[in-house]
Amino acid sequence: EAEVAQSPRYKITEKSQAVAFWCDPISGHATLYWYRQILGQGPELLVQFQDESVVDDSQLPKDRFSAERLKGVDSTLKIQPAELGDSAMYLCASSPSGSEQFFGPGTRLTVL
Amino acid sequence: KQEVTQIPAALSVPEGENLVLNCSFTDSAIYNLQWFRQDPGKGLTSLLLIQSSQREQTSGRLNASLDKSSGRSTLYIAASQPGDSATYLCAVRRNQAGTALIFGKGTTLSVSS
Repeated sequence: EAEVAQSPRYKITEKSQAVAFWCDPISGHATLYWYRQILGQGPELLVQFQDESVVDDSQLPKDRFSAERLKGVDSTLKIQPAELGDSAMYLCASSPSGSEQFFGPGTRLTVL
Repeated sequence: KQEVTQIPAALSVPEGENLVLNCSFTDSAIYNLQWFRQDPGKGLTSLLLIQSSQREQTSGRLNASLDKSSGRSTLYIAASQPGDSATYLCAVRRNQAGTALIFGKGTTLSVSS
């Protein structure tokens, strides 16, 4: 069964360092989402792509976060510099036609 | 602004009990509603997807209902098992295909043997 892949699964970094997360959606899924989930909360959207174009990045802290999906397939989310408040689970999801979303295993980020 | 609320925040039941998890949303103009399961430290597993035109969906021991006009959905779990212990998240999509999900904070379920 096809799955959304994410790496790394865990990342520990120090404040002010740069970090990057990678996501490979299910093959053929045109829509890709990055969500952030703080412990005890529901996920919240950071950025949404339709193919290689950004559809919604209104909640992305653009002073430190960036995201790209250059060829409309896999995607990278970067944080520079990382802050203590960025500690969270970063989840990637994909969708074939804007219907059901399928989530990856997530990347757990800890900022020290 | 759409808000999603899940009650209760936590629930403990003995094995074998039937239970209901509640989800409410403030804006009834939704495209669909999705229930997810999340195990500690893991990603989300989709359980059921209900389109706005549907009233309910069933998968095995799970049944989800949707009352769009009142802004409510319930997830019914029959004959609960210890393996059902997890956090259950409800999420709605605005009245457009392809827009992001808006999540509740989840209900953490513990089923004891």
